[in-house]
Amino acid sequence: DGGITQSPKYLFRKEGQNVTLSCEQNLNHDAMYWYRQDPGQGLRLIYYSQIVNDFQKGDIAEGYSVSREKKESFPLTVTSAQKNPTAFYLCASSPTSGSSYEQYFGPGTRLTVT
Amino acid sequence: SQKIEQNSEALNIQEGKTATLTCNYTNYSPAYLQWYRQDPGRGPVFLLLIRENEKEKRKERLKVTFDTTLKQSLFHITASQPADSATYLCALPGGSTLGRLYFGRGTQLTVWP
Repeated sequence: DGGITQSPKYLFRKEGQNVTLSCEQNLNHDAMYWYRQDPGQGLRLIYYSQIVNDFQKGDIAEGYSVSREKKESFPLTVTSAQKNPTAFYLCASSPTSGSSYEQYFGPGTRLTVT
Repeated sequence: SQKIEQNSEALNIQEGKTATLTCNYTNYSPAYLQWYRQDPGRGPVFLLLIRENEKEKRKERLKVTFDTTLKQSLFHITASQPADSATYLCALPGGSTLGRLYFGRGTQLTVWP
């Protein structure tokens, strides 16, 4: 069963705590992405990675960190420096060969920080 | 920087009618444009891609047009059904990074019986 998995679906944390969101894919895609979605807003790119051991900041990287040690995995850490961490987080992957670059999304993790 | 606008936040139509959603963009000449569907609390799902040299693309009841002069894409759902109710997002490739996409805010479509 191919696809992207994100866990957990819901996550609750206290302010000041770091939290790591998991993202795994078995689609053999080179590129992976993390987005944040807030009510009434489009998807905003946090970080992306086009190859193992390499990643770049997106439009709203402050307060977040990532790693890409394996092709299949791209975990996102929401640090205590992120001022408004409560949001819906989406992970995606896409091929980098070919020409369609459609993105495949996971089910998302809804993070609530109080 | 590029800007993407989707015509309205919400569109309500009666079952059986054709839904037409608009995606406009500025400061940009994308090589292609994509449309996604997103259901509440779930990740977006890819629907269609149309390239700059294609005027129209169809998939079952879906039709997408791409006017690079007007900088606009229209997304049509014919014979709409309540099951088509969802938020529809348009996305364009971003800058020099292969695969990176910029998403519009989406249009929430409700099809009522």
